[in-house]
Amino acid sequence: EPEVTQTPSHQVTQMGQEVILRCVPISNHLYFYWYRQILGQKVEFLVSFYNNEISEKSEIFDDQFSVERPDGSNFTLKIRSTKLEDSAMYFCASSPGLEQYFGPGTRLTVT
Amino acid sequence: AQKITQTQPGMFVQEKEAVTLDCTYDTSDQSYGLFWYKQPSSGEMIFLIYQGSYDEQNATEGRYSLNFQKARKSANLVISASQLGDSAMYFCAMREGLSGNTPLVFGKGTRLSVIA
Repeated sequence: EPEVTQTPSHQVTQMGQEVILRCVPISNHLYFYWYRQILGQKVEFLVSFYNNEISEKSEIFDDQFSVERPDGSNFTLKIRSTKLEDSAMYFCASSPGLEQYFGPGTRLTVT
Repeated sequence: AQKITQTQPGMFVQEKEAVTLDCTYDTSDQSYGLFWYKQPSSGEMIFLIYQGSYDEQNATEGRYSLNFQKARKSANLVISASQLGDSAMYFCAMREGLSGNTPLVFGKGTRLSVIA
């Protein structure tokens, strides 16, 4: 059964460094999303992406964040200059239209 | 204001028993979708079940069913014949509108523990 994949599973970075989180959505899906979950808290929406552009973004998704779909398969989230409060699990999700399927997540730790 | 409310931070259930996890939602949209996800200790988010606002019948997927009461704005998850592997966090989520772009809004979750 096709699934969303994410790499790396864990990333440790120093404050101020750039990180790129990678996702491969399910191949025939049209809509892509990034969410994050700070430890012990609920899942929060960051950004949605459709037809090669951002559809919607939350207040969290400020100028430090960017997304790209550089080729037909990958979907990336870049954090330009990480802060301690960016430490969280980052989930990529893809959707054919209604239900959203999540990847296993990347745990980002900023030290 | 909270759009999704899960009032049970934690629940216990005996193996093989049924359990209901509560979820209420708040929206003024006529078109919306309700979702339940399971998050085991390994951290991944597993899609369980979906109910559309126009669906007249309650959704079912194997041992999972969604008790949808539109007038009360509730979408409770019922797990029948609980198994030890059902121990996890369970999140209720809603999407307003039915276009693919709209994001999911999650509740704070309920931690279910199944006891042998």
